[in-house]
Amino acid sequence: QVQLVESGGGVVQPGTSLRLSCAASGFTFSNYAMHWVRQAPGKGLEWVAVISYDGSNEYYAYSVKGRFTISRDNSKNTLYLQMNSLRAEDTAVFYCARARSGYSIFDYWGQGIPVTVSS
Amino acid sequence: EIVLTQSPGTLSLSPGERATLSCRASQSVSSGYLAWYQQKPGQPPRLLIYGASSRATGIPDRFSGSGSGTDFTLTISRLEPEDFAMYYCQQSGSSFTFGPGTKVDIK
Repeated sequence: QVQLVESGGGVVQPGTSLRLSCAASGFTFSNYAMHWVRQAPGKGLEWVAVISYDGSNEYYAYSVKGRFTISRDNSKNTLYLQMNSLRAEDTAVFYCARARSGYSIFDYWGQGIPVTVSS
Repeated sequence: EIVLTQSPGTLSLSPGERATLSCRASQSVSSGYLAWYQQKPGQPPRLLIYGASSRATGIPDRFSGSGSGTDFTLTISRLEPEDFAMYYCQQSGSSFTFGPGTKVDIK
């Protein structure tokens, strides 16, 4: 069955960096675009970034563009999110999600990993 | 950016009742790019409906989606106890945005 397991979250200070990972199994990872979506405490869902199946294309939400970088290693079935210059407003649970087809629709989600940015 | 508005914010109903949730877009969204998700506390979202009206794998037929253009609806024909949750619509026709959600709670 499809499994997505995030790791790498934690508590960090403003201005610092963190890298999230998402280990995928149960499907051919290299065939699917992948997303990161976040949810601030008590808030709704916010799309963060997407990467194409082969890593050749990346798109970002305006709120993270220039600070976050999405990448993937298809040989390791792993998705990454490098987060730099973190701000308090980046505090959220971060989910990785598979794109059902093309880039659209998130059909499988990880359990999420919390990131807290606080001094 | 396409903004999605969901109404009502909260829907208080009893098990067995019918739930009708609305999602309105600020611009027309191709039906193929409109989805609905269910989220329970402490859990990730779960895809319910994609392409505005197609049920995802394993989703009971009491869930149905409809609509086109700027107005979309999620209907739960008879609420089961496990259906009390938050529901989000999402579009992927132009970037990716979610609505603010409708909470379906027990009356």
